[in-house]
Amino acid sequence: NAGVTQTPKFRILKIGQSMTLQCAQDMNHNYMYWYRQDPGMGLKLIYYSVGAGITDKGEVPNGYNVSRSTTEDFPLRLELAAPSQTSVYFCASRPAETGKGQPQHFGDGTRLSIL
Amino acid sequence: AQTVTQSQPEMSVQEAETVTLSCTYDTSESDYYLFWYKQPPSRQMILVIRQEAYKQQNATENRFSVNFQKAAKSFSLKISDSQLGDAAMYFCAYCAGGTSYGKLTFGQGTILTVHP
Repeated sequence: NAGVTQTPKFRILKIGQSMTLQCAQDMNHNYMYWYRQDPGMGLKLIYYSVGAGITDKGEVPNGYNVSRSTTEDFPLRLELAAPSQTSVYFCASRPAETGKGQPQHFGDGTRLSIL
Repeated sequence: AQTVTQSQPEMSVQEAETVTLSCTYDTSESDYYLFWYKQPPSRQMILVIRQEAYKQQNATENRFSVNFQKAAKSFSLKISDSQLGDAAMYFCAYCAGGTSYGKLTFGQGTILTVHP
């Protein structure tokens, strides 16, 4: 099983450029998430989605946009890249069942450098 | 807002010995879940162990066990018989129950070094 797939794995952007980080999962999970991990730090939630067409902001949403047109895909868009967005980005998913503390399944991350 | 604190930026252990990683959290919720994730140099996020707050019994998974102290809001991870492959960054994470939609709040992480 592929699980959660993120592309690309590495990318270097120039300041002001835009790009989309792709995330796809094949587990039919309703919930999906984007986190960023700055060097030596824990992960912080950028955006999340509870189903197709439904997204909401997390702790650090500024400078990012998301969409969720299908259950499988949850792309993250950077419109005007800034050096502060240099980070490792993780996509994750989990089933929607409540009351069970289902763990999230993570992709392998995208290392993004803004120069 | 919930916060998760890991007060040990780095820990080290000898192979085959036992090590305990600390985690404290702050919440006003009564229904929640706690997790430990392992992040090796490969950057993968690997679930180590999970604890439901309503369960008094501490979770165990092979060589990994937790000491969950709900009143003290403490959730430490004990690794027994440490192996070289245990070397990684370890993250404690909190998830509120109910309608939190499974969002995780992470601690800052603890780097674990295992010496042969």
